[in-house]
Amino acid sequence: NAGVMQNPRHLVRRRGQEARLRCSPMKGHSHVYWYRQLPEEGLKFMVYLQKENIIDESGMPKERFSAEFPKEGPSILRIQQVVRGDSAAYFCASSPQVGVDQPQHFGDGTRLSIL
Amino acid sequence: SQQGEEDPQALSIQEGENATMNCSYKTSINNLQWYRQNSGRGLVHLILIRSNEREKHSGRLRVTLDTSKKSSSLLITASRAADTASYFCATARGGGSQGNLIFGKGTKLSVKP
Repeated sequence: NAGVMQNPRHLVRRRGQEARLRCSPMKGHSHVYWYRQLPEEGLKFMVYLQKENIIDESGMPKERFSAEFPKEGPSILRIQQVVRGDSAAYFCASSPQVGVDQPQHFGDGTRLSIL
Repeated sequence: SQQGEEDPQALSIQEGENATMNCSYKTSINNLQWYRQNSGRGLVHLILIRSNEREKHSGRLRVTLDTSKKSSSLLITASRAADTASYFCATARGGGSQGNLIFGKGTKLSVKP
C-alpha cells in the first residue's frame, strides 16, 4: 500500500525556468494538499484540490504558481519563471475524504533549488 | 506571529528521559494535531485531539489540550534515540477551508543514546 509519492525528490532549475512537481496521492485518496517549507520553518499551506477542482488556493502566490489535479494522473504544482526565493521543500499530502478530523498523509517532498 | 508556535525550539535529552513540547495557537480550532518530521522526510501524523477533548494517549505519547489557554502539550515518555526528529503542531480552523492546516515552526528534539 504505497504512500504519497512525490517526484522528483530533488529538482534544480535556473532562474526563469519552469518547475513541475508531481504528487500521486495514496490509493483511495481524492483530496490533495500542497505545502511549502523553508529551512528551519514549519509548513505553509498553499493549495487544496479535489479531482479536477481547486477548493482553496488562499496560500498560493498570485503569480507564477498554479496547481491541478486532473481526473487521471498525479497532481501537478507548476512554478513558472522561477526565482531564487522559490527555493524550498514542497510537500504534498492527501486524505481520503473531506472533514476537519482527517489526518493528512505526507509525501517525502520535492526539494527545489534555484541557481 | 503565526498560529501554532511550539516551545522550546530545540530540546536535547538522554535516552529514557521524558520530552515535553508545548504549542500555543491564536484562533478557535476544531482540532489540534501533532506531526513528526525526520530529517529529509515528510511529516508523519502522530495524534489528533479534538477541541472538546482534554487529554489523549497513544503508546508513549500523551497530548493535552487547554482551549481556555489556547495551548497544547506533547509528552513523549521513555524517549529513544529513534524519537530524534522535529515535532510540529498543526491546527485546523473551524469553518472555511477544511484542508488548511496551520503549522508552527516546530521543536527539534535530539535524544542522545
